[in-house]
Formats: sequence, C-alpha cells, structure tokens
Amino acid sequence: RKEVEQDPGPFNVPEGATVAFNCTYSNSASQSFFWYRQDCRKEPKLLMSVYSSGNEDGRFTAQLNRASQYISLLIRDSKLSDSATYLCVVKRPNDYKLSFGAGTTVTVRA
Amino acid sequence: DTGVSQNPRHKITKRGQNVTFRCDPISEHNRLYWYRQTLGQGPEFLTYFQNEAQLEKSRLLSDRFSAERPKGSFSTLEIQRTEQGDSAMYLCASSLSVAGVEQYFGPGTRLTVT
Repeated sequence: RKEVEQDPGPFNVPEGATVAFNCTYSNSASQSFFWYRQDCRKEPKLLMSVYSSGNEDGRFTAQLNRASQYISLLIRDSKLSDSATYLCVVKRPNDYKLSFGAGTTVTVRA
Repeated sequence: DTGVSQNPRHKITKRGQNVTFRCDPISEHNRLYWYRQTLGQGPEFLTYFQNEAQLEKSRLLSDRFSAERPKGSFSTLEIQRTEQGDSAMYLCASSLSVAGVEQYFGPGTRLTVT
C-alpha cells in the first residue's frame, strides 16, 4: 500500500466553481502535512501547510482528519490559473524526506 | 535568481552511458535532497545530505547511482550504465535545518535514456 494515496482526477470545473479533493495516508505517525502545487513540466511548489485545526489561505482551505488519516483541499472561486496538479505530502517525525502522493489534476475551464 | 538551480535541464543519453547532474541549492540551506519523478507519479525520495554528509539513501538508489556533496554546497548525482528505466525527472530540493521547514525544489533535470 502506498504511503499517500490520492484520487488522480481529473477534476474539470468551470471558473468560479468550488472543487474539493482528499488524500489518505497510511502511517499514523505522520506529523507534518502539506499541499504542493505542480504545473506541467515544472517543479513542485509549496501551496500550504496543513494544521490540525484546519487553515485557510485566501481561496484555499486545508483540513486534516487524524482519526481517519485524510487531508483535504478545497478551492473556492476557481481561477483558470488554478489548473495544475496538487500533490499531497506527508512527513514523519524525525524524518527528513517528504512522501508524495501521485497528485490530483485540476483543470479550470472558461 | 537565488533559488535552487539544476544543470543540465535536459539530458538524452544512450543506454549504458554514464550521466552526471548538478544541483546548486539556496546558499544558506544546509540540507539537500534528491528526488525522482516519473510520469503520473509524485516525486520519490532518493537521498539526503546535511552539509557534506549523506545521511540517508533510499533503496531506489541502486549501486549504479552515487551522489556527492563534497563541500557542503553543490551536489552531483551520477548514474552509471544507464537503463531505460532510469528515464525520469530528477529533482533537487534544499532547506534549512529546522523542523517542518519548506523544501524548495529546483526545476529538475529530465533524463531520457534511449
């Protein structure tokens, strides 16, 4: 079983719509959680960290459910520029490496 | 630009040849990481350096792979006797030595083995 699993999508949504997707992680000891964004043929870039209480950054909201071991990302008022692959990332305590999911592809259409 | 840089950006090589990639991290970052990403997958960890010390290697890093960071600054990743299965994007990242801190990724080196 992969450490981080994501629905690959694609999620095709119109501009202005809300889109949400989850990822699940297998190691209950995971301590740090992130969403990275990756544009086609580009490097991953940190979108936001995910905190236990949930957090927002503008139109983006991240939630963590430790009991069920899943993380969610919600994008409100989608823009064309939100089209990308969103990578769910977890990190264990005292570990250096990041464990990535395979990504969820979002396409926002005009 | 003071971000992570990688060279070359693209490399096409024939099976059996050796290749070497270079990564220059952000100057004040003492942690450096190598990842590999294949089409449709997320990046997979290969190896990690704290300054010049290589502290962890993934089992993905076979004997044909070697990485160095001789002076704790730039790093090289060498693949010997390349195989078609080595075709991937090789990503370098760097970070500070602080728990939970962001890893900044370079643009990657795309390797194609023919």
